[in-house]
Amino acid sequence: QSVLTQPPSVSGAPGQRVTISCTGSSSNIGSRYDVHWYQQLPGTAPKLLIYGNSNRPSGVPDRFSGSKSGTSASLAITGLQAEDEADYYCQSYDSSLTGSVFGGGTKLTVL
Amino acid sequence: QVQLQESGPGLVKPSGTLSLTCTISGGSISSSNWWSWVRQPPGKGLEWIGEIYHRGSTNYNPSLKSRATISVDKSQNQFSLKLSSVTAADTAVYYCARYYSTAWFDPWGQGTLVTVSS
Repeated sequence: QSVLTQPPSVSGAPGQRVTISCTGSSSNIGSRYDVHWYQQLPGTAPKLLIYGNSNRPSGVPDRFSGSKSGTSASLAITGLQAEDEADYYCQSYDSSLTGSVFGGGTKLTVL
Repeated sequence: QVQLQESGPGLVKPSGTLSLTCTISGGSISSSNWWSWVRQPPGKGLEWIGEIYHRGSTNYNPSLKSRATISVDKSQNQFSLKLSSVTAADTAVYYCARYYSTAWFDPWGQGTLVTVSS
């Protein structure tokens, strides 16, 4: 049972828009702690996709965007491409656990 | 550009101690960053293990705190993980990562699979 809750899977057709939610609590997302997102392609290490709720590292397409509101955060992917098929994880800090916490991960399938 | 590489035995016997090292290249372990270990059991999600600052301060996941030890070797630009009393539940891909700005993990090492089996 992960501290941050994500849907196990989402899917969309090429060109469509999908969103992945990440729900936490008052001790993590609902507090002052930022949310970060990672993309994990099959057989590879996670890669930072969004940091500080909505910032993209250099090289990440602007098709990827993030937002945070209350105790939840969301990752949106527009103009879906086959290469976006991967697992996506959210991450934040939890003051009760005094450490980093991850969501359980969401598998994105491009139909 | 900072790069990380994990190394260590891929097979550990039950009740033994898992030992891994992360070598940093393209940057110094003594920079103003924390350095972390994260693991991923086969087919499952990511779990933060703990982190260390180059001066030796550490933080651990409470669920692993009694078994995990993270240390730094500045002369080798490395940091290490030891996990004692391992069981099959500790079988996972272990990643090292820089805990940037004490907020997010970037970059990550490629990961190394450690299997606990007799």
